[in-house]
Amino acid sequence: EPEVTQTPSHQVTQMGQEVILRCVPISNHLYFYWYRQILGQKVEFLVSFYNNEISEKSEIFDDQFSVERPDGSNFTLKIRSTKLEDSAMYFCASGLRQGAGYTFGSGTRLTVV
Amino acid sequence: EDKVVQSPLSLVVHEGDTVTLNCSYEVTNFRSLLWYKQEKKAPTFLFMLTSSGIEKKSGRLSSILDKKELSSILNITATQTGDSAIYLCAVEAPTGNQFYFGTGTSLTVIP
Repeated sequence: EPEVTQTPSHQVTQMGQEVILRCVPISNHLYFYWYRQILGQKVEFLVSFYNNEISEKSEIFDDQFSVERPDGSNFTLKIRSTKLEDSAMYFCASGLRQGAGYTFGSGTRLTVV
Repeated sequence: EDKVVQSPLSLVVHEGDTVTLNCSYEVTNFRSLLWYKQEKKAPTFLFMLTSSGIEKKSGRLSSILDKKELSSILNITATQTGDSAIYLCAVEAPTGNQFYFGTGTSLTVIP
């Protein structure tokens, strides 16, 4: 069964450093998303991406965040100058079309120390 | 504010019991409601509901949407220890650009 792949599975970084979280969505999917889940809290929407541009972003997705689809397969989330409160599980998801549900990747656990 | 509220927050049952998990939402003109099961890491898809009153079923799990009551339930019959997980409800925004997640119900099934 096709799956969404995320790398790395765990990333530890020092406060202030930049991190790039990588995702390979399902190949024929057109809609891409990043969500995050702080330990013990609910899954929160960060950003959605379609047709090479951001469709919607949440308040969490401020100037320190950016997304890119640098080639036909990867979808990346960059966090510039990480903060302690960025520590969370980051999930990538992709969908074929809106209203059809989507598939989550297994997540990247980001720990900022 | 919380657009999606799930109850109970946690539940402990014995194997063989039947459980009903609730999800209520305050999203008008939503496109779909989804149920996910989250064990160690990524949520895995269970059901997508768009029409009121139509039950979706998969083995011992079933779910139904009530648009009048702005709610959905997830039923699990004859629970097994492998059903232990967090069950997430998510409602798709009218824009289709995001889902609003509830905090989840943590289900523990003890032998």
